[in-house]
Amino acid sequence: DAMVIQNPRYQVTQFGKPVTLSCSQTLNHNVMYWYQQKSSQAPKLLFHYYDKDFNNEADTPDNFQSRRPNTSFCFLDIRSPGLGDAAMYLCATSRDPRFAQYFGPGTRLLVL
Amino acid sequence: TQLLEQSPQFLSIQEGENLTVYCNSSSVFSSLQWYRQEPGEGPVLLVTVVTGGEVKKLKRLTFQFGDARKDSSLHITAAQPGDTGLYLCAGEGSSNTGKLIFGQGTTLQVKP
Repeated sequence: DAMVIQNPRYQVTQFGKPVTLSCSQTLNHNVMYWYQQKSSQAPKLLFHYYDKDFNNEADTPDNFQSRRPNTSFCFLDIRSPGLGDAAMYLCATSRDPRFAQYFGPGTRLLVL
Repeated sequence: TQLLEQSPQFLSIQEGENLTVYCNSSSVFSSLQWYRQEPGEGPVLLVTVVTGGEVKKLKRLTFQFGDARKDSSLHITAAQPGDTGLYLCAGEGSSNTGKLIFGQGTTLQVKP
């Protein structure tokens, strides 16, 4: 009965090679978030969708893009991964921006 | 800018001991959430507190929201090795966009 699913759990890519991470949810939540988390640090919000409305954080690099084709799915595209982009990427959802967020298990990205 | 200061950042204790983690701010939050994150996994929501002075209990975990809704604490009684993990507090920012403001996290290690 997984609620927020992320695939793959581990992703290895090469420096500069585009990569896409995926997130799906069975909660029918309106809001979907993407976070980047580096070792033992708090998650850092990259962007979020409220329904189809995209909200980018001011300090999110242009290298990071997102797509939400429907309510259930959201993708994180990293156009040209650098070594500094190696991190855990977390997807989260919430019914409404005022309510609690539910996180997926994350995708650990390694850049070679 | 709203900030949440979480302390301590690291805590290593023996099984059976009690501990308290603090989350403090000079700003008022409409709600505050506590998460636990195990290595290689996403944060798991433990509790949301919304009312000043509120106390919630989850087995051996006790959560308190300050009367002024600027601070919160997590108290664990008789810690067990299974409590090991990263504990994160997160508050909903005043802009009401659902953007969570995270504390720096507390890494807890409970030794058997």
